[in-house]
Amino acid sequence: AQSVTQPDIHITVSEGASLELRCNYSYGATPYLFWYVQSPGQGLQLLLKYFSGDTLVQGIKGFEAEFKRSQSSFNLRKPSVHWSDAAEYFCAVSGNQFYFGTGTSLTVIP
Amino acid sequence: DVKVTQSSRYLVKRTGEKVFLECVQDMDHENMFWYRQDPGLGLRLIYFSYDVKMKEKGDIPEGYSVSREKKERFSLILESASTNQTSMYLCASSFTTGVGNTIYFGEGSWLTVV
Repeated sequence: AQSVTQPDIHITVSEGASLELRCNYSYGATPYLFWYVQSPGQGLQLLLKYFSGDTLVQGIKGFEAEFKRSQSSFNLRKPSVHWSDAAEYFCAVSGNQFYFGTGTSLTVIP
Repeated sequence: DVKVTQSSRYLVKRTGEKVFLECVQDMDHENMFWYRQDPGLGLRLIYFSYDVKMKEKGDIPEGYSVSREKKERFSLILESASTNQTSMYLCASSFTTGVGNTIYFGEGSWLTVV
């Protein structure tokens, strides 16, 4: 069965520090993978997506993600976090349906 | 840019009321979705539609119905609102499911049932 797991419910980082949010998926075929960000009280905004090709994909707001088939992972990274990055982050996989993780809440401290 | 518009951002309704949540997309997407989002539970699919007048149940359809009379519009209906339907509701749309799709979300509708 298809599924997405985000192991970290909540992460706190200092402003300027690097960030990595973890995502593991279970999908039988070639996955199509996404990261979304949700600011408080808002809908989900697409950060980046992976369909094929280069396994390192660049997104908006300075985010990138790396697809690792051997680890069934699609981790999101940012070299230097800004206070405005505080939000909820969702990983998703698309096949016949869209499957979302339960999200990781990011807190940024000064 | 893709635009998914949810007509009501904040609603307060009484128990037993009939509630309509409206969603419009401007990208000629075939598929439209209604999700419910609750703390700790992530996004749960209520219903989706892959064509006009077509609908499929998602994971939590009980207590909800939907209507899609035009391709761009997808409505979520709570026939008799209950307090356990207090939640954030997200509408989304995409081209035909399958490979290479991207799903786009509206801003969300906060519903409080009192």
